[in-house]
Amino acid sequence: DQQVKQNSPSLSVQEGRISILNCDYTNSMFDYFLWYKKYPAEGPTFLISISSIKDKNEDGRFTVFLNKSAKHLSLHIVPSQPGDSAVYFCAASGVTGTASKLTFGTGTRLQVTL
Amino acid sequence: NAGVMQNPRHLVRRRGQEARLRCSPMKGHSHVYWYRQLPEEGLKFMVYLQKENIIDESGMPKERFSAEFPKEGPSILRIQQVVRGDSAAYFCASSLQGKDTQYFGPGTRLTVL
Repeated sequence: DQQVKQNSPSLSVQEGRISILNCDYTNSMFDYFLWYKKYPAEGPTFLISISSIKDKNEDGRFTVFLNKSAKHLSLHIVPSQPGDSAVYFCAASGVTGTASKLTFGTGTRLQVTL
Repeated sequence: NAGVMQNPRHLVRRRGQEARLRCSPMKGHSHVYWYRQLPEEGLKFMVYLQKENIIDESGMPKERFSAEFPKEGPSILRIQQVVRGDSAAYFCASSLQGKDTQYFGPGTRLTVL
């Protein structure tokens, strides 16, 4: 039962353009969402998060949008840079039970080309 | 400002042996989480601990796996009698409070021969 889904396993974007990574979730109890970036043989690096009380959060080149009615969030990277090439994971946690447990998607591999 | 530390980075074990994975959280963090990543998959939650307490072990296999976070020293994930299916990357994360952002270590890559 995949509660967090990243349906695009890979994405290729030209340097300077916008990268849009998508994530869907099924559990309506999730209230906190995060994006992590991962390079091979390294641990995930936190990028940006958003609480369910917001619909947008911005940090430099990274913006996360949350559409609660559609149970959908997206990460926008503008402008994309070659160093952004990595696997991006969407993660979610909920208000009930053990709120701290993160549920991850399967990741989207972003390739930023010159 | 050291981040989350994990050792060893790579561990090779033969079937039936024990594997011990260590995690030192970021300074000041008292919440530790263990996740496992199988090849071509996302990270899967295993266990959440605070000092001397297991808060949530809903992701831990029922047998052979155990975790601890003693008052002093690192958190330990222990896998007894390893099997080939245990081969994976094991990541530790820590947070300041229970609902705060989790910061990950570099992982331990376990290979079972």
